[in-house]
Amino acid sequence: GQNIDQPTEMTATEGAIVQINCTYQTSGFNGLFWYQQHAGEAPTFLSYNVLDGLEEKGRFSSFLSRSKGYSYLLLKELQMKDSASYLCAVPPSGGSYIPTFGRGTSLIVHP
Amino acid sequence: DTEVTQTPKHLVMGMTNKKSLKCEQHMGHRAMYWYKQKAKKPPELMFVYSYEKLSINESVPSRFSPECPNSSLLNLHLHALQPEDSALYLCASSQNPGDRNTIYFGEGSWLTVV
Repeated sequence: GQNIDQPTEMTATEGAIVQINCTYQTSGFNGLFWYQQHAGEAPTFLSYNVLDGLEEKGRFSSFLSRSKGYSYLLLKELQMKDSASYLCAVPPSGGSYIPTFGRGTSLIVHP
Repeated sequence: DTEVTQTPKHLVMGMTNKKSLKCEQHMGHRAMYWYKQKAKKPPELMFVYSYEKLSINESVPSRFSPECPNSSLLNLHLHALQPEDSALYLCASSQNPGDRNTIYFGEGSWLTVV
């Protein structure tokens, strides 16, 4: 199985940068997903990392260190609409790529 | 079209009722999923269908019965549910089973068991 840990809640100011961390333990590694979920809505895919390093997609970047079992999601130029839950997900071992989710980090962006 | 469509959006049912949740996608995806999400909790995987066959059942009680009539449709039949089964039920799909690319979620069906 796998164990995923991320902070429960974070707050940040509009226009700022925020980093949401995720640590994981899994017996086999098939990559790490980040999803965004607004309240009352379905999760939407943000990123998938399988190799070490930083991947940038516009205002969002995701970093992975496999040796440390660590990832972070970096959000730049925060906007109010970025207030959401950010879910880190690591597929279980056994060749599956199906994400099973961590508890999520609720990000509150205030003016 | 990158949509996964779920109906109904809201469902209230009694503990003796039989109802079904429906999910549809027309992206040609061959893997479809049911997740359950309680308030302020992450989605939990329930079932995975791969090429219209049930490939994963995460020890879900038999009062939840999935069905995949064809590659575009996925149903979840509900019978004799308990109030603690009240949750958001999310359907999702991906191009292939074991696909490391995007899993697309529907907007979910809010289920209340009374």
